[in-house]
Amino acid sequence: DAMVIQNPRYQVTQFGKPVTLSCSQTLNHNVMYWYQQKSSQAPKLLFHYYDKDFNNEADTPDNFQSRRPNTSFCFLDIRSPGLGDAAMYLCATSTGQGSYNEQFFGPGTRLTVL
Amino acid sequence: SQQGEEDPQALSIQEGENATMNCSYKTSINNLQWYRQNSGRGLVHLILIRSNEREKHSGRLRVTLDTSKKSSSLLITASRAADTASYFCATPPRGQNFVFGPGTRLSVLP
Repeated sequence: DAMVIQNPRYQVTQFGKPVTLSCSQTLNHNVMYWYQQKSSQAPKLLFHYYDKDFNNEADTPDNFQSRRPNTSFCFLDIRSPGLGDAAMYLCATSTGQGSYNEQFFGPGTRLTVL
Repeated sequence: SQQGEEDPQALSIQEGENATMNCSYKTSINNLQWYRQNSGRGLVHLILIRSNEREKHSGRLRVTLDTSKKSSSLLITASRAADTASYFCATPPRGQNFVFGPGTRLSVLP
Protein backbone atom coordinates (compact mmCIF):
# COMPACT_ATOMS: atom_id res chain seq x y z
CA ASP A 1 0.00 0.00 0.00
CA ALA A 2 1.17 3.50 -0.80
CA MET A 3 2.05 5.28 2.38
CA VAL A 4 4.07 7.75 4.40
CA ILE A 5 6.63 6.17 6.71
CA GLN A 6 8.42 7.82 9.57
CA ASN A 7 11.44 6.47 11.40
CA PRO A 8 12.01 6.08 14.17
CA ARG A 9 8.61 6.14 15.86
CA TYR A 10 10.21 7.14 19.15
CA GLN A 11 13.43 9.08 19.51
CA VAL A 12 15.22 10.04 22.69
CA THR A 13 18.03 12.56 22.59
CA GLN A 14 19.99 14.65 25.04
CA PHE A 15 19.79 18.37 25.43
CA GLY A 16 21.95 19.94 22.73
CA LYS A 17 22.68 16.68 20.89
CA PRO A 18 21.78 16.87 17.18
CA VAL A 19 19.05 14.56 16.02
CA THR A 20 17.64 13.61 12.61
CA LEU A 21 14.15 12.36 11.92
CA SER A 22 13.32 10.73 8.62
CA CYS A 23 10.28 10.46 6.41
CA SER A 24 9.75 8.47 3.26
CA GLN A 25 6.79 8.15 0.93
CA THR A 26 5.68 5.74 -1.74
CA LEU A 27 2.93 8.04 -3.01
CA ASN A 28 5.24 9.92 -5.39
CA HIS A 29 3.80 13.20 -4.18
CA ASN A 30 5.45 16.49 -5.06
CA VAL A 31 4.99 18.16 -1.71
CA MET A 32 6.32 17.06 1.67
CA TYR A 33 5.61 18.81 4.96
CA TRP A 34 6.99 18.74 8.47
CA TYR A 35 4.74 19.60 11.40
CA GLN A 36 5.47 19.90 15.10
CA GLN A 37 2.67 18.91 17.46
CA LYS A 38 2.92 19.43 21.19
CA SER A 39 0.64 17.68 23.64
CA SER A 40 -3.05 18.55 23.15
CA GLN A 41 -2.20 21.21 20.58
CA ALA A 42 -2.71 21.67 16.87
CA PRO A 43 -0.04 20.53 14.44
CA LYS A 44 2.14 23.50 13.56
CA LEU A 45 3.71 23.68 10.11
CA LEU A 46 7.50 24.06 10.25
CA PHE A 47 8.33 23.97 6.51
CA HIS A 48 7.52 22.22 3.30
CA TYR A 49 9.11 21.24 0.01
CA TYR A 50 7.50 21.54 -3.37
CA ASP A 51 9.78 19.25 -5.32
CA LYS A 52 13.18 20.68 -4.41
CA ASP A 53 11.91 24.14 -3.52
CA PHE A 54 12.17 24.69 0.22
CA ASN A 55 9.61 26.88 1.98
CA ASN A 56 10.25 27.86 5.57
CA GLU A 57 7.49 29.19 7.81
CA ALA A 58 8.37 32.61 9.17
CA ASP A 59 8.31 31.55 12.81
CA THR A 60 10.22 28.27 12.46
CA PRO A 61 13.35 28.48 14.64
CA ASP A 62 16.75 28.34 12.94
CA ASN A 63 17.48 25.28 15.06
CA PHE A 64 15.29 23.29 12.64
CA GLN A 65 16.60 22.38 9.22
CA SER A 66 15.38 20.07 6.50
CA ARG A 67 16.75 18.15 3.56
CA ARG A 68 15.02 16.47 0.67
CA PRO A 69 17.57 14.50 -1.33
CA ASN A 70 14.98 12.97 -3.65
CA THR A 71 11.22 12.72 -4.18
CA SER A 72 10.81 9.89 -1.70
CA PHE A 73 12.78 11.06 1.31
CA CYS A 74 12.73 14.08 3.56
CA PHE A 75 14.71 14.67 6.76
CA LEU A 76 14.21 16.95 9.73
CA ASP A 77 17.41 17.97 11.50
CA ILE A 78 17.31 19.57 14.92
CA ARG A 79 20.75 21.02 15.47
CA SER A 80 20.65 21.61 19.21
CA PRO A 81 17.47 20.24 20.75
CA GLY A 82 16.12 22.02 23.76
CA LEU A 83 13.58 20.77 26.28
CA GLY A 84 10.94 22.81 24.47
CA ASP A 85 11.48 20.81 21.30
CA ALA A 86 10.03 17.66 22.82
CA ALA A 87 6.99 16.95 20.69
CA MET A 88 5.45 14.71 18.07
CA TYR A 89 6.87 15.43 14.61
CA LEU A 90 4.56 14.65 11.75
CA CYS A 91 5.50 14.28 8.11
CA ALA A 92 2.83 14.72 5.46
CA THR A 93 2.62 14.69 1.68
CA SER A 94 0.29 16.02 -0.95
CA THR A 95 0.12 15.98 -4.73
CA GLY A 96 0.39 19.74 -4.97
CA GLN A 97 0.60 22.92 -3.00
CA GLY A 98 -2.48 24.82 -2.04
CA SER A 99 -5.47 24.28 0.11
CA TYR A 100 -7.41 21.96 -2.22
CA ASN A 101 -4.95 19.16 -1.76
CA GLU A 102 -5.58 16.49 0.84
CA GLN A 103 -2.58 15.82 3.02
CA PHE A 104 -1.45 12.29 3.83
CA PHE A 105 0.25 11.92 7.18
CA GLY A 106 2.78 9.49 8.54
CA PRO A 107 2.37 8.03 12.05
CA GLY A 108 4.74 10.55 13.56
CA THR A 109 7.97 10.45 15.57
CA ARG A 110 7.71 11.27 19.24
CA LEU A 111 10.84 13.10 20.34
CA THR A 112 11.93 13.15 23.97
CA VAL A 113 14.71 15.50 25.06
CA LEU A 114 16.53 14.63 28.29
CA SER B 1 -4.85 34.21 17.55
CA GLN B 2 -5.64 31.11 15.53
CA GLN B 3 -7.21 31.04 12.08
CA GLY B 4 -9.41 28.12 13.04
CA GLU B 5 -10.75 26.96 16.35
CA GLU B 6 -12.82 23.91 17.20
CA ASP B 7 -15.55 23.81 19.78
CA PRO B 8 -15.99 22.11 22.18
CA GLN B 9 -12.44 21.28 23.26
CA ALA B 10 -13.64 17.93 24.58
CA LEU B 11 -16.80 15.90 24.10
CA SER B 12 -17.87 12.67 25.76
CA ILE B 13 -20.86 10.68 24.52
CA GLN B 14 -22.31 7.19 24.64
CA GLU B 15 -22.00 4.76 21.77
CA GLY B 16 -24.87 5.18 19.33
CA GLU B 17 -25.31 8.90 20.04
CA ASN B 18 -24.50 11.62 17.56
CA ALA B 19 -21.47 13.84 18.02
CA THR B 20 -21.33 17.41 16.76
CA MET B 21 -18.26 19.58 16.76
CA ASN B 22 -17.81 23.05 15.35
CA CYS B 23 -15.05 25.02 13.71
CA SER B 24 -14.85 28.78 13.42
CA TYR B 25 -12.31 30.68 11.36
CA LYS B 26 -11.28 34.27 10.80
CA THR B 27 -10.26 34.92 7.19
CA SER B 28 -11.80 33.88 3.90
CA ILE B 29 -11.05 30.37 2.70
CA ASN B 30 -11.35 28.39 -0.53
CA ASN B 31 -12.21 25.22 1.30
CA LEU B 32 -12.21 23.62 4.72
CA GLN B 33 -11.01 20.15 5.59
CA TRP B 34 -11.63 17.90 8.57
CA TYR B 35 -9.07 15.44 9.87
CA ARG B 36 -9.11 12.77 12.56
CA GLN B 37 -6.17 11.84 14.78
CA ASN B 38 -6.14 8.71 16.87
CA SER B 39 -4.01 8.91 20.01
CA GLY B 40 -0.30 8.91 19.19
CA ARG B 41 -0.87 8.63 15.44
CA GLY B 42 -0.84 10.83 12.37
CA LEU B 43 -3.84 12.68 11.01
CA VAL B 44 -6.27 11.12 8.57
CA HIS B 45 -8.25 13.17 6.08
CA LEU B 46 -12.01 12.85 6.50
CA ILE B 47 -13.69 15.31 4.18
CA LEU B 48 -13.17 18.50 2.21
CA ILE B 49 -15.91 21.05 1.66
CA ARG B 50 -15.47 23.88 -0.82
CA SER B 51 -16.46 27.44 -0.07
CA ASN B 52 -19.36 27.25 -2.56
CA GLU B 53 -20.80 24.13 -0.90
CA ARG B 54 -23.13 24.18 2.09
CA GLU B 55 -23.27 20.54 3.05
CA LYS B 56 -21.40 17.36 2.29
CA HIS B 57 -21.82 13.74 3.38
CA SER B 58 -19.43 10.83 3.65
CA GLY B 59 -20.76 7.68 5.29
CA ARG B 60 -21.71 8.60 8.86
CA LEU B 61 -20.13 12.04 8.52
CA ARG B 62 -22.02 15.19 7.66
CA VAL B 63 -20.21 18.50 7.27
CA THR B 64 -21.80 21.89 6.87
CA LEU B 65 -20.21 25.18 5.97
CA ASP B 66 -21.59 28.66 6.55
CA THR B 67 -19.22 31.16 4.97
CA SER B 68 -21.28 34.12 6.18
CA LYS B 69 -20.67 33.04 9.76
CA LYS B 70 -17.21 31.67 9.01
CA SER B 71 -18.08 28.38 10.64
CA SER B 72 -18.35 24.69 9.90
CA SER B 73 -19.75 21.74 11.77
CA LEU B 74 -18.90 18.04 11.69
CA LEU B 75 -21.62 15.60 12.67
CA ILE B 76 -20.84 11.94 13.34
CA THR B 77 -24.00 9.89 13.47
CA ALA B 78 -24.44 6.65 15.41
CA SER B 79 -21.02 6.99 17.00
CA ARG B 80 -18.85 3.98 17.79
CA ALA B 81 -16.05 3.44 20.27
CA ALA B 82 -13.66 3.47 17.30
CA ASP B 83 -14.62 7.10 16.63
CA THR B 84 -12.75 8.09 19.80
CA ALA B 85 -10.08 10.50 18.53
CA SER B 86 -9.21 14.15 18.16
CA TYR B 87 -10.84 15.99 15.29
CA PHE B 88 -9.21 18.96 13.62
CA CYS B 89 -10.43 21.42 11.07
CA ALA B 90 -7.94 22.84 8.60
CA THR B 91 -8.79 26.31 7.39
CA PRO B 92 -6.08 27.45 5.01
CA PRO B 93 -6.37 31.16 4.27
CA ARG B 94 -6.50 31.78 0.55
CA GLY B 95 -3.13 31.20 -1.03
CA GLN B 96 -1.56 29.93 2.13
CA ASN B 97 -0.76 26.62 3.73
CA PHE B 98 -2.80 24.61 6.18
CA VAL B 99 -3.61 26.00 9.58
CA PHE B 100 -5.08 23.50 12.01
CA GLY B 101 -7.26 24.41 14.94
CA PRO B 102 -6.53 23.01 18.42
CA GLY B 103 -8.99 20.17 17.90
CA THR B 104 -11.94 18.55 19.64
CA ARG B 105 -11.16 15.44 21.71
CA LEU B 106 -14.07 13.04 21.28
CA SER B 107 -14.57 10.13 23.66
CA VAL B 108 -17.22 7.55 22.75
CA LEU B 109 -18.05 5.38 25.71
CA PRO B 110 -19.21 1.78 25.13
